[in-house]
Amino acid sequence: EDQVTQSPEALRLQEGESSSLNCSYTVSGLRGLFWYRQDPGKGPEFLFTLYSAGEEKEKERLKATLTKKESFLHITAPKPEDSATYLCAVPDTQGGSEKLVFGKGTKLTVNP
Amino acid sequence: DSGVTQTPKHLITATGQRVTLRCSPRSGDLSVYWYQQSLDQGLQFLIQYYNGEERAKGNILERFSAQQFPDLHSELNLSSLELGDSALYFCASSVAGQTNYEQYFGPGTRLTVT
Repeated sequence: EDQVTQSPEALRLQEGESSSLNCSYTVSGLRGLFWYRQDPGKGPEFLFTLYSAGEEKEKERLKATLTKKESFLHITAPKPEDSATYLCAVPDTQGGSEKLVFGKGTKLTVNP
Repeated sequence: DSGVTQTPKHLITATGQRVTLRCSPRSGDLSVYWYQQSLDQGLQFLIQYYNGEERAKGNILERFSAQQFPDLHSELNLSSLELGDSALYFCASSVAGQTNYEQYFGPGTRLTVT
C-alpha cells in the first residue's frame, strides 16, 4: 500500500480557474508534511511544511492545508507559470530507517 | 537557487562502468540525502549522511555507495552500471538529521547508461 497518494495524477486548468490538489497519507504519528514544486528536469523546490491538523500556509496563489489524513494544495487564479508537478512527502520509518516518502505527484498544466 | 550544487549536470556512460556524482550542501546544513528519480518510480530515497556519518538507508543497491567528507560535501558512487540505472539523481540537504526538517534539493545529475 502506498503511504502517500496524490490525486489527480494530472490536472489541466484555464488561467484563472481555481482548483485543489490532494495528498493523502497513511503513516501514523505524522511528523510533518512537505509540499514541493518540480519543473521538468529540475530539482524539487520547497514550498511548505505543515506540522499539525488545521495548519494552513500561503505563498502567492498557493495555500496548503492539513487534516489528520490528508493535505490540500489550493491554487487560486492560477497562471501559466504555475504549471509544474507538485509533490507531497511525509517522513516515515521503515526497517528502522527514517526517510522522506514522496507521492508520485500531480502534473498541473495551466493554459493561457 | 536552493544553494545545493551538484556536478556534473549530465553524464553519459556505458554499461559496466563506474561513475561518481558530487554534491555540496547549503552552507550550514549538516545532512545530505541522495535520491533517484526515474519516470516509473518517482522520487526514491537512497541514503542519508549526517555530519559525516551514515544516518539512514533506503532501497540503495549494493552496487551504489556514498560518503560525506569533512567539508560536508558528498559523493555517490555507482558501479557496474546497468541500463536501468539511467535516471535523475538528486541530492538534498537540511540543517538537521531528522526528516521532519525541510530538505532543499540540488539541480540534479542526469545519468544515461548506454
